Amino acid sequence: DTGVSQDPRHKITKRGQNVTFRCDPISEHNRLYWYRQTLGQGPEFLTYFQNEAQLEKSRLLSDRFSAERPKGSFSTLEIQRTEQGDSAMYLCASSDEAFFGQGTRLTVV
Amino acid sequence: RKEVEQDPGPFNVPEGATVAFNCTYSNSASQSFFWYRQDCRKEPKLLMSVYSSGNEDGRFTAQLNRASQYISLLIRDSKLSDSATYLCVVNLVGGYNKLIFGAGTRLAVHP
Repeated sequence: DTGVSQDPRHKITKRGQNVTFRCDPISEHNRLYWYRQTLGQGPEFLTYFQNEAQLEKSRLLSDRFSAERPKGSFSTLEIQRTEQGDSAMYLCASSDEAFFGQGTRLTVV
Repeated sequence: RKEVEQDPGPFNVPEGATVAFNCTYSNSASQSFFWYRQDCRKEPKLLMSVYSSGNEDGRFTAQLNRASQYISLLIRDSKLSDSATYLCVVNLVGGYNKLIFGAGTRLAVHP
């Protein structure tokens, strides 16, 4: 599969727990984006990487959120001390036209 | 005011109908424009880019009006498989190509 891959596809966690998601972009794409989508809304931009450099972060990305792309390939998004409001679909995309992965659906109970 | 606004619908149309969606954007510096399609509980997928001169891809026609800051999508001869949410998307100039999405317009095509 040469598309954008995300893992896990689904995650249910208890409030207060930490969770980490992984994204593997299309191999020749050096730009990687994270978006969050809640029910009835379009995806909202969270952060952007050019290779390993995190170049932009949305105000939506509170201090409980951290994203990394250590070697300019895969990326991780960690949410610490999860809250019910963090329940959403977390989408990863690569390239200018944003080829999206299938997303990680997070449910915080 | 939202940066990209769309009528949420739903638009309920019979097979074979022609349906049109509009969207408006607030930032006149927007540089690129797209329509994405999103099926229920799936990821968004690029349907087509939108060019100033208008462009067509099969049954789909997209138009851009920069002066009025609106984008349209016309679907002719609707198929059941066209049922989905259509997301209007803009890309701001000078940014890092982050996409600004509308909330989407739901289309339901019925037999």
